[in-house]
Amino acid sequence: QVQLVESGGGVVQPGRSLRLSCAASGFTFSSYGMHWVRQAPGEGLDWVAVIWSDGSDKYYTDSVKGRFTISRDNSKNTIYLQMNSLRAEDTAVYYCARDIAPSGLNIDYWGQGTLVTVSS
Amino acid sequence: DIQMTQSPSSLSPSVGDRVTITCRASQNINNYLNWYQQKPGKGPKLLIYAASSLRSGVPSRFSGSGSGTDFTLTISTLQPEDVASYYCQQSYRTPVTFGQGTKVEIK
Repeated sequence: QVQLVESGGGVVQPGRSLRLSCAASGFTFSSYGMHWVRQAPGEGLDWVAVIWSDGSDKYYTDSVKGRFTISRDNSKNTIYLQMNSLRAEDTAVYYCARDIAPSGLNIDYWGQGTLVTVSS
Repeated sequence: DIQMTQSPSSLSPSVGDRVTITCRASQNINNYLNWYQQKPGKGPKLLIYAASSLRSGVPSRFSGSGSGTDFTLTISTLQPEDVASYYCQQSYRTPVTFGQGTKVEIK
């Protein structure tokens, strides 16, 4: 069965960096696009970024452009989210999610999430 | 960006009731619309894709309809396990955007 396990969350000071990882299993990882979606405490879902199955294309929401970088290692079945210049408003549970296709915007499986808290 | 507006933001029906949640897009998105269910402390689950296609394994009491800018998620007969928040999502173009969510509680 499809499993997505996020790690790397924690408490970090404003302006610092953090890297999230998501280990995937139960499917042919290199055949699917992958997303990061976040959810601030008590709030709704906020899409962050997507990377195509072969890593050829990446798209970001405006609020993280230039600060966050999505990447993947198909040999390790893992995606990453490098988060730099973190702000208080980046505080959220970050979900890793799988697309239904190699390049698309339709999410079918989600992980359990990892909490990032940006606070001094 | 395409804005997605859901209504209502919350509702408290009784078990067995028919529940309808609406989602409106700020522009035509054809049928590029998905619905998700999220229970507390868990990641969301896909219910409906392409506006009206039921995902395999999802109970048939869930259905979706609509095209263009107006969409509906219907639960035909509410069950206790349907207590959750529900979100619509447009997959027409980036950035992906979600509705603000509808919280369903049992009266």
